[in-house]
Amino acid sequence: DQQVKQNSPSLSVQEGRISILNCDYTNSMFDYFLWYKKYPAEGPTFLISISSIKDKNEDGRFTVFLNKSAKHLSLHIVPSQPGDSAVYFCAATTPGGRAQKLVFGQGTRLTINP
Amino acid sequence: KAGVTQTPRYLIKTRGQQVTLSCSPISGHRSVSWYQQTPGQGLQFLFEYFSETQRNKGNFPGRFSGRQFSNSRSEMNVSTLELGDSALYLCASTQGGSYNSPLHFGNGTRLTVT
Repeated sequence: DQQVKQNSPSLSVQEGRISILNCDYTNSMFDYFLWYKKYPAEGPTFLISISSIKDKNEDGRFTVFLNKSAKHLSLHIVPSQPGDSAVYFCAATTPGGRAQKLVFGQGTRLTINP
Repeated sequence: KAGVTQTPRYLIKTRGQQVTLSCSPISGHRSVSWYQQTPGQGLQFLFEYFSETQRNKGNFPGRFSGRQFSNSRSEMNVSTLELGDSALYLCASTQGGSYNSPLHFGNGTRLTVT
């Protein structure tokens, strides 16, 4: 049962344009969502997060939008740069005291073309 | 601050053998989590340790086990290896105070089972 889904395995965007990565979830108990970026041969690195009490969070070129009613979140990258080419994972977690357990999507490979 | 360190980076084992992977968290981080990454399943949570105690566990068979030492370093063991255990094993650490603290990942151990 895939509770977090990234339905696009890959996305190709021209440099300077907007990249939009999408993520859907099924578990209504998720209350915190994160995006990670992963380069080949490296571990994922944290990018941006959003709490379920918000519908938008912005950090520089990166903005995450959350639509709770649709159980959908998206990551916008504007403008896209060649260094943004990587695999992007969305992840979610439920309130659980202090215990850590992220549920990840399968990732979207973003390629930024010059 | 040094990042999360995982050793070894690559490992080749034969079906039926056992393997131990090691993880040194970021200094001061008391929570260590392990994830398995495979092309078909994405990143899947194995377990989390905090102060030498397993605080959370994913849906993996008992062949997968772990432990954490008093200095927060952690090891993961897989016994009776199967071909399907071939994957990238990622360790991540956080200070451990909150379930929604972003994880800091190591670069992983690539395990190949032949």
